[in-house]
Amino acid sequence: ETGVTQSPTHLIKTRGQQVTLRCSSQSGHNTVSWYQQALGQGPQFIFQYYREEENGRGNFPPRFSGLQFPNYSSELNVNALELDDSALYLCASSVTGKGTEAFFGQGTRLTVV
Amino acid sequence: QQPVQSPQAVILREGEDAVINCSSSKALYSVHWYRQKHGEAPVFLMILLKGGEQKGHEKISASFNEKKQQSSLYLTASQLSYSGTYFCGTGTNFGNEKLTFGTGTRLTIIP
Repeated sequence: ETGVTQSPTHLIKTRGQQVTLRCSSQSGHNTVSWYQQALGQGPQFIFQYYREEENGRGNFPPRFSGLQFPNYSSELNVNALELDDSALYLCASSVTGKGTEAFFGQGTRLTVV
Repeated sequence: QQPVQSPQAVILREGEDAVINCSSSKALYSVHWYRQKHGEAPVFLMILLKGGEQKGHEKISASFNEKKQQSSLYLTASQLSYSGTYFCGTGTNFGNEKLTFGTGTRLTIIP
């Protein structure tokens, strides 16, 4: 049990819709990173939030956006969903500036139909 | 460019040893190792930081050669619970865990 929780655990959406995924970071962690994991692949970095601002972004289009709140929890928003967005979405919490481990939540399985 | 892991898959009998390698084309600050079982989130195993250190606990250890940008994970006397897909995640900046994950190594332990 890492203390990182994500909601919902499963979600089915229709192409073109919008979705919001949520992540509560582990106590004491100030940074949240989001990853997309397609079936049979390693996690791909989407973006990271630190001090409520985006702190680096991977190769994902602007329709992927996020927020971080004062309590360090975070949201991932995806607009105009495409079939290829179907994946496991993982958030990982860590402490920026310490070179420490990143712990993953259990993930949200998104299916776009 | 994602790190390359080898082997892609390996099947071992319980009690045998395994080595999983991770190689990057970029200069690395850190290497993180995770194990993921089917349908579950990756579970953190260990982190190695720049300095060429070796770490380990119980029967799982790892090394990091920063000059070669390579890391290896060593599983000794493997147990059935070690089955899963192992990923290395590499970081290029201090204290900034924006990880680039490798291609994964599927490890199957059979009785």
